[in-house]
Amino acid sequence: DSGVTQTPKHLITATGQRVTLRCSPRSGDLSVYWYQQSLDQGLQFLIQYYNGEERAKGNILERFSAQQFPDLHSELNLSSLELGDSALYFCASSAGQGSTDTQYFGPGTRLTVL
Amino acid sequence: AQKVTQAQTEISVVEKEDVTLDCVYETRDTTYYLFWYKQPPSGELVFLIRRNSFDEQNEISGRYSWNFQKSTSSFNFTITASQVVDSAVYFCALSEALGRIRKLVFGTGTRLLVSP
Repeated sequence: DSGVTQTPKHLITATGQRVTLRCSPRSGDLSVYWYQQSLDQGLQFLIQYYNGEERAKGNILERFSAQQFPDLHSELNLSSLELGDSALYFCASSAGQGSTDTQYFGPGTRLTVL
Repeated sequence: AQKVTQAQTEISVVEKEDVTLDCVYETRDTTYYLFWYKQPPSGELVFLIRRNSFDEQNEISGRYSWNFQKSTSSFNFTITASQVVDSAVYFCALSEALGRIRKLVFGTGTRLLVSP
């Protein structure tokens, strides 16, 4: 158990809908990262937050947004969902901003868009 | 741009065999970090090891060992006396600097199947 929690574990929804994925980092970690794992794209970095502020952006679509709250939990919002958004979404956390830190991953949220 | 290549898509071995998973990376950074993660069938990503670019010593942890060779840009992972519980997808990753920020660039993974 990495100490990173993600809810829900599974999510099934329809195209055009909006969903919110939630992540709680390990105790004491200030950075939260979001990754998407799909069969065709592999593991892709989406976005990083550090202590409430956005720090780095990867291959995140404009339909996706994220935020980190004062209690350090983070939410990833996915809107206007398409079939291709079906994937496993991971949250990871690290103590610092990532320059020397190991990222510990949560169990993931499996999103299925029908 | 940074890149990680895991050329072996799938490897099948019989229990107790030794197996090596290859990882080759590309980076222009002089300071970087390399990682291995394990993804068992249950789906979570489990951290195995982190290595920085200045430490080329090989590392052993139980049945696991890692061989880091800067000259060939490789960071290979060997499992000795494999067990069925080692069956998983193994990812090699490189930490990429974005200013002070580092993100992980993952290889495509190697699926290891260990049969009894």
